[in-house]
Amino acid sequence: GAGVSQSPRYKVAKRGQDVALRCDPISGHVSLFWYQQALGQGPEFLTYFQNEAQLDKSGLPSDRFFAERPEGSVSTLKIQRTQQEDSAVYLCASSADRGALGNTIYFGEGSWLTVV
Amino acid sequence: AQSVTQLGSHVSVSEGALVLLRCNYSSSVPPYLFWYVQYPNQGLQLLLKYTSAATLVKGINGFEAEFKKSETSFHLTKPSAHMSDAAEYFCAVRRAEKLVFGKGTKLTVNP
Repeated sequence: GAGVSQSPRYKVAKRGQDVALRCDPISGHVSLFWYQQALGQGPEFLTYFQNEAQLDKSGLPSDRFFAERPEGSVSTLKIQRTQQEDSAVYLCASSADRGALGNTIYFGEGSWLTVV
Repeated sequence: AQSVTQLGSHVSVSEGALVLLRCNYSSSVPPYLFWYVQYPNQGLQLLLKYTSAATLVKGINGFEAEFKKSETSFHLTKPSAHMSDAAEYFCAVRRAEKLVFGKGTKLTVNP
């Protein structure tokens, strides 16, 4: 597609419910990132994939968070047993590089998660 | 570790006035620096980036930023603010494969 596509755009979950957020990166992009943006804050790194390999998951806040990219394209971020502090915008991003630091990272419009 | 600091969480200017959004970085190696803009309820859009070519970088929508090693700064400027510039602006540094963002500066443009 023309840009990074995320779904759903908005999700309201009851506390304790599991959620799955989908990201469809720009076609052919090798690198894929997930970020969490709390209200009024800058995005915080969660995890990074190069193709299907999850090379860095140091930003995942707890073992309730899980991400996968099984075929090296679409990715899913899953949050189990959601809690109120999980309420945030979850941004997916992709890049054509294999770690070329000057390359542009393109962001999707985000999935807005509210846990009630 | 590489990081950025944005001075001023809110900046307010009049339409037609100079826009100056401040960003300072800390890095032990030459940094790759980026400015992103976020409009309400939208994702991040790249404005410009510094990758050690020219120190004065021109971006989209009339924005530019100057890399100053002596001041460890990468401030974002625009000569004349437009109402459509109202948004949140994020400075970021590339640390390994990831971007590390500042806390953001919300720009308000008054008519």
